[in-house]
Amino acid sequence: GAVVSQHPSRVICKSGTSVKIECRSLDFQATTMFWYRQFPKQSLMLMATSNEGSKATYEQGVEKDKFLINHASLTLSTLTVTSAHPEDSSFYICSARDQGEVEQYFGPGTRLTVT
Amino acid sequence: GQNIDQPTEMTATEGAIVQINCTYQTSGFNGLFWYQQHAGEAPTFLSYNVLDGLEEKGRFSSFLSRSKGYSYLLLKELQMKDSASYLCAVRDSNYQLIWGAGTKLIIKP
Repeated sequence: GAVVSQHPSRVICKSGTSVKIECRSLDFQATTMFWYRQFPKQSLMLMATSNEGSKATYEQGVEKDKFLINHASLTLSTLTVTSAHPEDSSFYICSARDQGEVEQYFGPGTRLTVT
Repeated sequence: GQNIDQPTEMTATEGAIVQINCTYQTSGFNGLFWYQQHAGEAPTFLSYNVLDGLEEKGRFSSFLSRSKGYSYLLLKELQMKDSASYLCAVRDSNYQLIWGAGTKLIIKP
């Protein structure tokens, strides 16, 4: 089956610093990638959708200048949390979908803790 | 607005059968998904329904009624490893996935 990897799996950073999370599709071309955030005991919340080579579409309430998304190739998308604050601490999950496919394949997630 | 409802928590016994219901109200419908999510892990795909009826895959089955805006996930011969959250998600007219809050399933021996 299709595999999506995320790196790092866990990261701890200090308040005010920036953190980059990578999402890679390992054996298929991810024309569309999705970034989600999940707080404890809550459901997935879609942050943004990105198509390869174009700007990401952000959901209402998600600051595009704070959460920078780059989808420069068909196998890699990155999410950069800029000037992180403790309230940004969360579980960030990416998923990827190939063009014309039904299913989204999820990465294993990245646990971000901002101290 | 768009809305997906599923029970917050359910408890069942090892070896038994459990049915997790999901009702939805969305702007358009392009398929319904069920995902399993263990604590601290990302969701894994279980099933996809786009037409009415029952889809069976091993111990798991998923049912859809589009006219009623209703789906259920049926888990048979429950095992302890089935303890997880089960997420219902509907793809709307914009092909966006709208997620339910998830049902935490607790399996007791």
